[in-house]
Amino acid sequence: EVQLVESGGGLVQPGRSLRLSCAASRFTFDDYAMHWVRQAPGKGLEWVSGISWNSGSTGYADSVKGRFTISRDNTKNSLYLQMNSLRAEDTALYYCAKDTSSGWTGGSDYWGQGTLVTVSS
Amino acid sequence: QSALTQPPSASGSPGQSVTISCTGTSSDVGGYNYVSWYQQHPGKAPKLMIYEVSKRPSGVPDRFSGSKSGNTASLTVSGLQAEDEADYYCTSYAGSNNLFGGGTKLTVL
Repeated sequence: EVQLVESGGGLVQPGRSLRLSCAASRFTFDDYAMHWVRQAPGKGLEWVSGISWNSGSTGYADSVKGRFTISRDNTKNSLYLQMNSLRAEDTALYYCAKDTSSGWTGGSDYWGQGTLVTVSS
Repeated sequence: QSALTQPPSASGSPGQSVTISCTGTSSDVGGYNYVSWYQQHPGKAPKLMIYEVSKRPSGVPDRFSGSKSGNTASLTVSGLQAEDEADYYCTSYAGSNNLFGGGTKLTVL
């Protein structure tokens, strides 16, 4: 069964940075696009960013564009999200998700359990 | 870009059918056949129910079906069961990003 394990969340002050990681296993990582999706406490899902299988194409939500950077290392079966200039409204559970295809246009058929990011002074 | 529009709630009795709508624009739902639907139970990660408008992943019951007309996509759940009670979210590719709907809480009466 596909496994996605997020890490790197925690409590951080506004304006600071945090790097999330997602370790993938039990599937051919470099065949598939990947996503970060977040969910603020008690709120709905928000797509954050996506990256194609070979890092050739990336996309960002308007709310994070210019502050967050998605990347992947196919040699390590890992996905990352570098989050800079964090704001209170970035507080959420961040999910790593696998796309059904090599581009980040499709649905996400496997999800991790999420890592919680809390932005507060 | 704004989030896609879903009704906040929907309901039906066991055995009945219910349809949840997801309205966007020609720049997202209407422009691409990349609409997906997710089911989320409280405290759980989302589960993919439909992708590319009408495709069902392996293991998803055929009681769940998806369609699209113009700028509106729909998820239909037939033969409602108690375990279908959950939040449902649509999402669509929008050219430079993806957009989610606000979610619909489905109640099985």
